[in-house]
Amino acid sequence: GENVEQHPSTLSVQEGDSAVIKCTYSDSASNYFPWYKQELGKRPQLIIDIRSNVGEKKDQRIAVTLNKTAKHFSLHITETQPEDSAVYFCAASIEKYGNKLVFGAGTILRVKS
Amino acid sequence: KAGVTQTPRYLIKTRGQQVTLSCSPISGHRSVSWYQQTPGQGLQFLFEYFSETQRNKGNFPGRFSGRQFSNSRSEMNVSTLELGDSALYLCASSLARQGRTADTQYFGPGTRLTVL
Repeated sequence: GENVEQHPSTLSVQEGDSAVIKCTYSDSASNYFPWYKQELGKRPQLIIDIRSNVGEKKDQRIAVTLNKTAKHFSLHITETQPEDSAVYFCAASIEKYGNKLVFGAGTILRVKS
Repeated sequence: KAGVTQTPRYLIKTRGQQVTLSCSPISGHRSVSWYQQTPGQGLQFLFEYFSETQRNKGNFPGRFSGRQFSNSRSEMNVSTLELGDSALYLCASSLARQGRTADTQYFGPGTRLTVL
């Protein structure tokens, strides 16, 4: 079945630096790729998503890129701030399985001020 | 609009018991999905309900079941609880717009289940 690998598992950056998290998926039929941010004790919150007909999407300091040939997608956060510290999850879904999301293992991002 | 709500927020049960968790989706959302979150296994898909029908199912044993009501509210049930069922159970709702099979999912705060 579908598998999503996420790297790195932890990432420490200095405030103001950029952070990049990468995910690789196994099923070429995957067509929807959301990213969620989860702060300690809180629910996962969608921060950005991309569909397979788009190569890149940007929302202020956050961007996602998708490489369908290589079957990987990445989250880019620029000008990191302490409030960006959280666990970030990537996910993928396959059209025929509707809303079933397969998640990566998560990345703990620490932004040091 | 009010967000996704889940009740109860915390639950403590003993092995062998059964439990029912409830999820109220965002108004107008027709799809409800359930996920189990544990430190070891991460976020894993349990099942999705759409228009009162189970549309997709994950790889969990039959002890895990669910249903959806006509107002889109959903419940999940776990029977014969095991220690390994201790987890945060999250539900997520989505519009399920026509022609779009994978839609943006919004998560509830979760129910923290502890099995002793």
